[in-house]
Amino acid sequence: AQSVTQLGSHVSVSEGALVLLRCNYSSSVPPYLFWYVQYPNQGLQLLLKYTSAATLVKGINGFEAEFKKSETSFHLTKPSAHMSDAAEYFCAVRGGGATNKLIFGTGTLLAVQP
Amino acid sequence: EPEVTQTPSHQVTQMGQEVILRCVPISNHLYFYWYRQILGQKVEFLVSFYNNEISEKSEIFDDQFSVERPDGSNFTLKIRSTKLEDSAMYFCASREGAVSEQFFGPGTRLTVL
Repeated sequence: AQSVTQLGSHVSVSEGALVLLRCNYSSSVPPYLFWYVQYPNQGLQLLLKYTSAATLVKGINGFEAEFKKSETSFHLTKPSAHMSDAAEYFCAVRGGGATNKLIFGTGTLLAVQP
Repeated sequence: EPEVTQTPSHQVTQMGQEVILRCVPISNHLYFYWYRQILGQKVEFLVSFYNNEISEKSEIFDDQFSVERPDGSNFTLKIRSTKLEDSAMYFCASREGAVSEQFFGPGTRLTVL
């Protein structure tokens, strides 16, 4: 069965600092992995996805993530945090079977300090 | 840019009442989903729908829940007799094909009193 684990429910960084949000996955098949962002009182917006092509995936708003099979990780990074990055971030793995449902992690709330 | 829409944005209901949450998926999408997020918890899969039938449902999706695509554009989630624990944000999602990404709507916040 597929699952994801997000380490750190709350992360706080200073504006301009590196953002690193951690996600580890478990999957019995080659995984499809996703990062979604949820701004306050809004829905889920796709940041980026890994679908077995390049291991370094670039997404929107300057975010990127690297798929590391040896570490079963898919950590999200951004070189320089902006105040507008404050949001909740969810890592997800595509579930098995034909439905391709998403299995989400518990989320990481990112705070950006001025 | 096409987007998934959901109505209402917020629904307040009394325990035991029926509610219908509505979604309009992106027009050329074929696969539809409902997820829910209880306050402070992770997003959970409820049900997937393809070719006018449920393709998978979670343990949460019991007999009190049903889904329907009544007219080829709307996709609805009905809760027959709401419980306090049904209070959550409900997200609709759709995708075009087998390997495409899911697009999420803005959600409906359901509050059961």
